[in-house]
Amino acid sequence: AQSVTQPDIHITVSEGASLELRCNYSYGATPYLFWYVQSPGQGLQLLLKYFSGDTLVQGIKGFEAEFKRSQSSFNLRKPSVHWSDAAEYFCAVGSNTDKLIFGTGTRLQVFP
Amino acid sequence: ETGVTQSPTHLIKTRGQQVTLRCSSQSGHNTVSWYQQALGQGPQFIFQYYREEENGRGNFPPRFSGLQFPNYSSELNVNALELDDSALYLCASSLQGAANEQFFGPGTRLTVL
Repeated sequence: AQSVTQPDIHITVSEGASLELRCNYSYGATPYLFWYVQSPGQGLQLLLKYFSGDTLVQGIKGFEAEFKRSQSSFNLRKPSVHWSDAAEYFCAVGSNTDKLIFGTGTRLQVFP
Repeated sequence: ETGVTQSPTHLIKTRGQQVTLRCSSQSGHNTVSWYQQALGQGPQFIFQYYREEENGRGNFPPRFSGLQFPNYSSELNVNALELDDSALYLCASSLQGAANEQFFGPGTRLTVL
């Protein structure tokens, strides 16, 4: 079955600390992989996506993610977190850019 | 360029009623997808409309139905509302074709009492 697992429901970091959000997927075909961010009262905003090629992808707001096929993972990273990064983060997989399968999300809290 | 808009923002209904949610796609987009996001969960794909026809459906019963209009705007209709239908309903628009990003609206919060 196709699925996305985000093992961390809630993560708390201090401002300026590094961040890694985990994502594992199960998908039969070669997947398209995505990370979205959702702030309260807002829709989803695309941070970055992986289709093919270089397994390290750069996104907006200083985020990056690394695709590891052998581990079925697509973890999101940021070297230095800002207070404005506090939000809900969703990993998603699909065979295209739509009809996506989302994980349950990781809530990021940032302390000053 | 206008982004994806949804109406209404919030809605309260009672069990058994019917509801219609609306979505205006971003300019130039011809495809609309609908997602249901229950509290504490990730969005779940309901269905997609392209050229006014359903173009894929997730694991949702037939009482969830939709329409797409010639201007590419869309409606989501839910009949015989159940308590579990309480959720944030997200609309996303895109240009049909591989690798074209979909853009999400802010959602409609539906509460079923």
